[in-house]
Amino acid sequence: AQSVTQPDIHITVSEGASLELRCNYSYGATPYLFWYVQSPGQGLQLLLKYFSGDTLVQGIKGFEAEFKRSQSSFNLRKPSVHWSDAAEYFCAVGRGSTLGRLYFGRGTQLTVWP
Amino acid sequence: GAVVSQHPSWVICKSGTSVKIECRSLDFQATTMFWYRQFPKQSLMLMATSNEGSKATYEQGVEKDKFLINHASLTLSTLTVTSAHPEDSSFYICSNSRRTGGATDTQYFGPGTRLTVL
Repeated sequence: AQSVTQPDIHITVSEGASLELRCNYSYGATPYLFWYVQSPGQGLQLLLKYFSGDTLVQGIKGFEAEFKRSQSSFNLRKPSVHWSDAAEYFCAVGRGSTLGRLYFGRGTQLTVWP
Repeated sequence: GAVVSQHPSWVICKSGTSVKIECRSLDFQATTMFWYRQFPKQSLMLMATSNEGSKATYEQGVEKDKFLINHASLTLSTLTVTSAHPEDSSFYICSNSRRTGGATDTQYFGPGTRLTVL
């Protein structure tokens, strides 16, 4: 069965500091991997996705993620966090042939100190 | 701008009543839409895949008679929670896809509907 683990429920960083959000997945086939951000009152926004090819994926808002098959991980990183990055972040894996069928991790709440 | 809208954004109802939630695809015709539910501080759980002109496909453990899905047009899918009970209180989110399958599809999520059943 597929599963997505985000081990950190809540992370607090200072503005300007670097950020890494962890994500591990369990999936039998080649995974389609995603990172979404959820802000209050807004729908989930796609930050980046990995399907194949280069294992380092660049996304919007200065985020990047690296797919490591040997570690079953897809960690999200940002070199310098801005206060506006405070939100809930979800890692997800696509299942089946229809990519809308996503399996989400429980999310990591990011707090940014000024 | 928003690609997917949901209405209402929040609803409170009495136990035993039915509630309808609308999901509209604003920018393109969506042959496929998806319904998720999210409990507080938890992840999104896929409930069902809504296909225009055909029956929805429900995920294991989701009661299809309780969560009625209708995808009557290419821009509208509705989720009706029938005979709602307090345990149905949750955040319901829909998403759409330009077409089924395909590695380049992009999912757009609605802002969600907060359902509280008293």
